[in-house]
Amino acid sequence: GQQVMQIPQYQHVQEGEDFTTYCNSSTTLSNIQWYKQRPGGHPVFLIQLVKSGEVKKQKRLTFQFGEAKKNSSLHITATQTTDVGTYFCAGDQGAQKLVFGQGTRLTINP
Amino acid sequence: DAGITQSPRHKVTETGTPVTLRCHQTENHRYMYWYRQDPGHGLRLIHYSYGVKDTDKGEVSDGYSVSRSKTEDFLLTLESATSSQTSVYFCAIKGTGTGEQFFGPGTRLTVL
Repeated sequence: GQQVMQIPQYQHVQEGEDFTTYCNSSTTLSNIQWYKQRPGGHPVFLIQLVKSGEVKKQKRLTFQFGEAKKNSSLHITATQTTDVGTYFCAGDQGAQKLVFGQGTRLTINP
Repeated sequence: DAGITQSPRHKVTETGTPVTLRCHQTENHRYMYWYRQDPGHGLRLIHYSYGVKDTDKGEVSDGYSVSRSKTEDFLLTLESATSSQTSVYFCAIKGTGTGEQFFGPGTRLTVL
């Protein structure tokens, strides 16, 4: 079945440094979604990318969808302590189902 | 939070006992999902529902069954709990917008 791989599994940065997580699918995706889960919380939807090569920004967060629609990335500029959490990508598997990557856990040294 | 609640929020049980987790939504969404979350595995789909009495398996459905007798409730049952089913279980609904999913607060289940 479809697999979505996400790297790195963990990332520790100093506050103010940038952060990037990468997502790769074994198959072409119709769209990709990104979620954030704060420690002890539940996943919260951030954004959906649909078009090949699409780039979307939310303040310090930049999301990209690859030209082949098989990979995606999330980049955070100048991290803040509020960015701590685990970031998941999720590929649309069709039939109203998502397949999630393993997640990247971000910790920040203030 | 899309009006999603899960009960119980925490449960400790023994191997071999049956366990039922409940997901309740208040906004009449058609699609509902059960995931389990384990370190290193992200969120894995157990079962999902696309309407009352309409359910289908996900990637890790062995040992689990579900039922949806009314729109607002989606039940997950472990017929005979095993230690490998110790996990955090999340219920989710599919929104009516761009297809994003909204998650409940989760149930932490420990099987001893």
